[in-house]
Amino acid sequence: AQSVTQLGSHVSVSEGALVLLRCNYSSSVPPYLFWYVQYPNQGLQLLLKYTSAATLVKGINGFEAEFKKSETSFHLTKPSAHMSDAAEYFCAVSEGNFNKFYFGSGTKLNVKP
Amino acid sequence: SAVISQKPSRDICQRGTSLTIQCQVDSQVTMMFWYRQQPGQSLTLIATANQGSEATYESGFVIDKFPISRPNLTFSTLTVSNMSPEDSSIYLCSVESDPANEQFFGPGTRLTVL
Repeated sequence: AQSVTQLGSHVSVSEGALVLLRCNYSSSVPPYLFWYVQYPNQGLQLLLKYTSAATLVKGINGFEAEFKKSETSFHLTKPSAHMSDAAEYFCAVSEGNFNKFYFGSGTKLNVKP
Repeated sequence: SAVISQKPSRDICQRGTSLTIQCQVDSQVTMMFWYRQQPGQSLTLIATANQGSEATYESGFVIDKFPISRPNLTFSTLTVSNMSPEDSSIYLCSVESDPANEQFFGPGTRLTVL
């Protein structure tokens, strides 16, 4: 069975500070991992994905995530937060056929001026 | 990437009524999915809709409550039947990309049941 745990339902950082959003997964098969962002009143937008290639994945808007099998983690980072990064972020894991996604509970990122 | 639209974008409904949500994709896709996002919670898969066959429902969701149609490769509807306040959620449709390595999501339908 697949599951995703996101530590911290709310994270607050200052503009220009490091962003770190945590995601741990459990999977009985090699996982495919995703980070999505949801801006207020909008749908989900894919930030980045890991599909068994390079373990360090770069996405849009300066975000990146590293797949660490030993830690069963896929934490999302950005070196310098921008006000426009304020949104809710969801980590998701998929079975090998990509048609069943399991989402974490989400982390709301607040960026302070 | 696929462009997905949903109608309505939001609605306020009375208890006991039903609402049908439409999902339109700008390209032909094999699989479409319906998710529910309850207030303050994550997304939960309701069902998978394949064209030409009955939808496959996840545990906890039944066809009588959430009937789904998939008449062609670009369109699907989800009906929320006999609504109660507990059905107040955002309902999102998504499609599998081609090649199949991610899902694209619609903007969602925000439903409030009074």
